[in-house]
This record gives sequence, structure tokens and C-alpha cells, in this order.
Amino acid sequence: QVQLVQSGAEVKKPGASVKVSCKVSGYTLTELSMHWVRQAPGKGLEWMGGFDPEDGETIYAQKFQGRVTMTEDTSTDTAYMELSSLRSEDTAVYYCATPRKPQLYWYFDLWGRGTLVTVSS
Amino acid sequence: DIQMTQSPSTLSASVGDRVTITCRASQSISSWLAWYQQKPGKAPKLLIYKASSLESGVPSRFSGSGSGTEFTLTISSLQPDDFATYYCQQYNSLWTFGQGTKVEIK
Repeated sequence: QVQLVQSGAEVKKPGASVKVSCKVSGYTLTELSMHWVRQAPGKGLEWMGGFDPEDGETIYAQKFQGRVTMTEDTSTDTAYMELSSLRSEDTAVYYCATPRKPQLYWYFDLWGRGTLVTVSS
Repeated sequence: DIQMTQSPSTLSASVGDRVTITCRASQSISSWLAWYQQKPGKAPKLLIYKASSLESGVPSRFSGSGSGTEFTLTISSLQPDDFATYYCQQYNSLWTFGQGTKVEIK
């Protein structure tokens, strides 16, 4: 059974960085195209970035460029999302999500359970 | 960037009602649209992909239609388990979500 297992909740101070992990089980990370979506409390879903299978590169939403880095460790089938220069508005649940078959389609039919990141002084 | 606009933001309905949610794209996205259902504290769940294709295991009371810039999600007979928030998402050019439609009990 394919699962995306995310790391636990984090509390960070403004200006700090946070790194959230997403471990794949039941698949290998190279078979997937990992993306990150966040949701602030009481707000909607916001796509942050992910792997574009068309050009083979990670692309970031313009809003997060320069502040977010998405990486992968294929030896452990774990994807990471690091967000720097945190501010209170970054308080949110961060989800990893992917198509099960990115070579065929690009909608997200597999999601992690989410990681709550709280930014507070 | 492509913007997605859903309406209404909130919808009050009763069990058994037919419910329709609209999603508009700021430019044509062909049929590259998905619909998700999200319940409090849970990850989104895929309902519909390619505008009108029903994801495996999703009840047939859910249906999607549209192409280009106008899309709809219809629930033919609302069930107690369907009270949730629904999001559209375009995947024609990068990925963008609509702001969500909360379906609440009337």
C-alpha cells in the first residue's frame, strides 16, 4: 500500500527555517512527482511547488521563490521541503502530494496527512 | 499564472438536495481540472479528474462537467457524509486551487 508519511509538528520562531519530510512507502520516490501544498488555519489550499515531469526540474510558485527549497533523498525515498525566513503568516499545515503515475497524469491522488508548522515568538 | 474562482464560497443545503459548485479559470485549461473534497483535520481527497472522470471508489452521485474556462461539480443527492469543503484545481499550467466551497447543513 502506497503511503506518504510526513514528519511531526514543528514550532519555530520568526526568521527561522523549517524542514518538513515526506517518506514514501510502497513506491520509490523516483516513480513519483512530489509536490507541496499548504493550508493556513481556516484558509484554502495553496500549491507551493513540485517536480515538473515535463522538463525534469523542480518548480516553485512565484510567491515562494527564493524562500523554499524542495529536495529528495532517493536512497531513503524521502522528500523534503525547507522554508526559510519564517513569519507568522507561514503558520499552516504543509502537505506533500503526488500523482501515483506522473508519467500519465498530473493531478494529486496521493496525499500525506500533513505537518503543522507554527511560527510564533 | 492561472487563477481559479469558485462559487459560491459557502452553500447551505439539506440531505437529498442536488448541489452544484462552479469553478472558473482565468484562461482556458482544456479539461485539465480536478475536484477534491476535504473534511476538517484531513488531507484532501480526489473526487474527479480531467473535468468529468470519477475517481475509483467515489460514489456516482458526484459528477463533473465543463471544459475551457467553466466547470461544475454536482452532487445529485447530498448525503450526510458529503458535508465538507470542495476545491477545484487546474493542472494545465503549473497547479492552482480555487478558494474552496464549504457545503454546510441547512
